[in-house]
Amino acid sequence: NAGVTQTPKFRILKIGQSMTLQCAQDMNHNYMYWYRQDPGMGLKLIYYSVGAGITDKGEVPNGYNVSRSTTEDFPLRLELAAPSQTSVYFCASSYRESLNEQFFGPGTRLTVL
Amino acid sequence: GQQLNQSPQSMFIQEGEDVSMNCTSSSIFNTWLWYKQDPGEGPVLLIALYKAGELTSNGRLTAQFGITRKDSFLNISASIPSDVGIYFCAGHANAGNMLTFGGGTRLMVKP
Repeated sequence: NAGVTQTPKFRILKIGQSMTLQCAQDMNHNYMYWYRQDPGMGLKLIYYSVGAGITDKGEVPNGYNVSRSTTEDFPLRLELAAPSQTSVYFCASSYRESLNEQFFGPGTRLTVL
Repeated sequence: GQQLNQSPQSMFIQEGEDVSMNCTSSSIFNTWLWYKQDPGEGPVLLIALYKAGELTSNGRLTAQFGITRKDSFLNISASIPSDVGIYFCAGHANAGNMLTFGGGTRLMVKP
């Protein structure tokens, strides 16, 4: 199993550009999550999904959108990039039965200039 | 929202020393988790705790779920250079599907 994979690993955007961060998992997990980690800080939840077709806002959803058309994929969309969105983005997944035990991807480091 | 205060923020220790870090909250959590993040990687789950008072070990790591449900502790015995990284606590309050993460403890080990 590859676990949780994320692409790209690094990206630099100009203010106002848009992009999609990709996340996929091959563990047949029901739950998937997007977090951002600012320098020296903990993780903040952006959006999460409890299954295909179902998404919900986390703590810091403004400026982002998600979709969950399949169990495996959970892309994160930035429509109008702003410098405040410079961060490292982590995708995670978990089983419904043990949603506390989340498995994380390697992260996408995004810089908005 | 709920907050977890993790301390210390950073530690610089000698190889072979024992390490202690903790996480406290003003509200009750029903699950406590400890993760380790290596540089440039995502967090990896180390220990999960589900009952107040529970003490669980994973090799040289031992974690405890505080009796009050408002704190948790992680100890690392006989530290080695590969213990370097950031250790995060996380709690789940059974209200919704979200984990709350602490700010992390950055551990540096001098060989």
